[in-house]
Amino acid sequence: SQELEQSPQSLIVQEGKNLTINCTSSKTLYGLYWYKQKYGEGLIFLMMLQKGGEEKSHEKITAKLDEKKQQSSLHITASQPSHAGIYLCGADMLGRGTGNQFYFGTGTSLTVIP
Amino acid sequence: GAVVSQHPSRVICKSGTSVKIECRSLDFQATTMFWYRQFPKQSLMLMATSNEGSKATYEQGVEKDKFLINHASLTLSTLTVTSAHPEDSSFYICSAREGATQYFGPGTRLTVL
Repeated sequence: SQELEQSPQSLIVQEGKNLTINCTSSKTLYGLYWYKQKYGEGLIFLMMLQKGGEEKSHEKITAKLDEKKQQSSLHITASQPSHAGIYLCGADMLGRGTGNQFYFGTGTSLTVIP
Repeated sequence: GAVVSQHPSRVICKSGTSVKIECRSLDFQATTMFWYRQFPKQSLMLMATSNEGSKATYEQGVEKDKFLINHASLTLSTLTVTSAHPEDSSFYICSAREGATQYFGPGTRLTVL
């Protein structure tokens, strides 16, 4: 089971529209990562957030971590076809092994229609 | 920055054969590496945590006898898919931790005919 839930599961938007993807955890997050990927390809690191209330931007993508550090959002402004792909949040969490394991969220598939 | 490599990048095999995938940390030592599996249009699921010099820890629902993990050195972990079947066809990614940072390999696409 995955303890990081993303919503929506999939998203289809017209080029130029804004969109938001959410990542929610039942536990406090001490480092929340956002990646972009296309199936069968490697991960592209987008941003990492650590502090409650932190916000980071890169080009047209902005990520925020809420004050309680249990929810993060990824916002894309004026989407382009190049933004299409799978967006994954990830975080270190206590798992079955010793210490923390790194888990991914459930994923959001984004399609941008030209 | 740190680099993690995987080999092979793509492999096609017949049903019933075993396939080995290598994960290497190229410029750092990693006592812990992780193996993930991804099916089309789905997220990356953690399969197991590979620990150098000790047994791997498997996530619930992952068969340890099916997915053999060996972490024989501080720079190499291997995942062997034994008696592979078409349902094992997937994208496998490894990662290695250096300090607090995870570095991910480029992935291996396995197709079982």
